[in-house]
Amino acid sequence: AIRMTQSPSSFSASTGDRVTITCRASQGISTFLAWYQQKPGKAPKVLIHAASTLQSGVPPRFSGSGSGTDFTLTISRLESEDFATYYCQQYYDYPPTFGQGTTLEIK
Amino acid sequence: QITLKESGPTLVNPTQTLTLTCNFSGFSVTRGDVGVGWIRQPPGKPLEWLGILYWNDNTRYNPFLKSRLTITKGTSNNQVVLTVTDMDPVDTGTYYCAHSPGPVGEWWFAPWGQGTLVTVSA
Repeated sequence: AIRMTQSPSSFSASTGDRVTITCRASQGISTFLAWYQQKPGKAPKVLIHAASTLQSGVPPRFSGSGSGTDFTLTISRLESEDFATYYCQQYYDYPPTFGQGTTLEIK
Repeated sequence: QITLKESGPTLVNPTQTLTLTCNFSGFSVTRGDVGVGWIRQPPGKPLEWLGILYWNDNTRYNPFLKSRLTITKGTSNNQVVLTVTDMDPVDTGTYYCAHSPGPVGEWWFAPWGQGTLVTVSA
């Protein structure tokens, strides 16, 4: 199975900051990558698919980029509701696999 | 609006079989490329893809769990059923069903059900 590694595992930031989360695949996955946001006690919500396509209804401060093995999720200006855990998921190969998650905490 | 909701037991004994039902609405089940998947999450741990059912009866399972998993249509056109045999305490976690927008083979999910916590303990 393809291994997805996110970095950092957790970090602190302040509202208004620009933040970037990285996801690396153990082999090339083209752009078959999705990003999810999960808040405590809630189901994940997709933010981006196809590496850079913003899901309908998701604020434009979220953006994704990358192809092959290296991907990033960027939040241009953090808002209070963005403090959550973020997961990447590859769907290039079977079975689909998720990263271990990146928890974004308030500084 | 697409909605999904999982239901089933919250506690199962080790070695028992778990059966969860996903009731959904807001999307058509007559298309072969409509998919409903299952994902689980042990407490405090990452997500794990279990499998997916497409309405043309095409199913795919996580190969690491394949011998224990079955995903089938339910008794109505808006139900999908997950069965996991030989449950173990390591199978404890929140089980989610989710809609796969497709096309077939693009296994990302939106939206997800609220999830149901299943605990495996004697």
